[in-house]
Amino acid sequence: KNEVEQSPQNLTAQEGEFITINCSYSVGISALHWLQQHPGGGIVSLFMLSSGKKKHGRLIATINIQEKHSSLHITASHPRDSAVYICAVRPLLKNQTSYDKVIFGPGTSLSVIP
Amino acid sequence: EPEVTQTPSHQVTQMGQEVILRCVPISNHLYFYWYRQILGQKVEFLVSFYNNEISEKSEIFDDQFSVERPDGSNFTLKIRSTKLEDSAMYFCASRRTSLRSHNEQFFGPGTRLTVL
Repeated sequence: KNEVEQSPQNLTAQEGEFITINCSYSVGISALHWLQQHPGGGIVSLFMLSSGKKKHGRLIATINIQEKHSSLHITASHPRDSAVYICAVRPLLKNQTSYDKVIFGPGTSLSVIP
Repeated sequence: EPEVTQTPSHQVTQMGQEVILRCVPISNHLYFYWYRQILGQKVEFLVSFYNNEISEKSEIFDDQFSVERPDGSNFTLKIRSTKLEDSAMYFCASRRTSLRSHNEQFFGPGTRLTVL
């Protein structure tokens, strides 16, 4: 079983639509990251969060630690938002200290059509 | 804005050859990482490095792999005898401190390694 899962796997949206990408995970975590991978392969960190909600421009990320679930929302989507969005988690050890590694989800490929 | 840089952007090598992938982390960062992404697959953790030693490594990071911070600015990944299955994009990342508020990792642009 994958420790980090994302849905949907692929998403096509019209420009201007509100987009939601979901991430669920099965391990205790100290932090969750949302990353954006451009078609050329480069990775950009969008958010790191351990509770609640964060907003940056048209992007909003939320996390529910109890339900082991996070969502990434894009408001007023634009073709330049087309990319793969990756959820990644930093797992906790049994003694509640954090692993120094990040486990990545499979990514959600987003295509925004003009 | 400071950024993580990696060289080369693309490396082509023959099977069995040694390769060294180079990374320059952000200057005041203390924790360093290598990840790889085989084409069409998810990103996988390879190794983390702090205080001049490996702090964690995955099962992928076997004896063929080694990391080094030779001069206080570069962070290198060496693959001693490349195999076809080592073909992947390799990402370096760095992080400033272990404090919760500074846990964000910054990624380099990646090096695409092709083993023929």
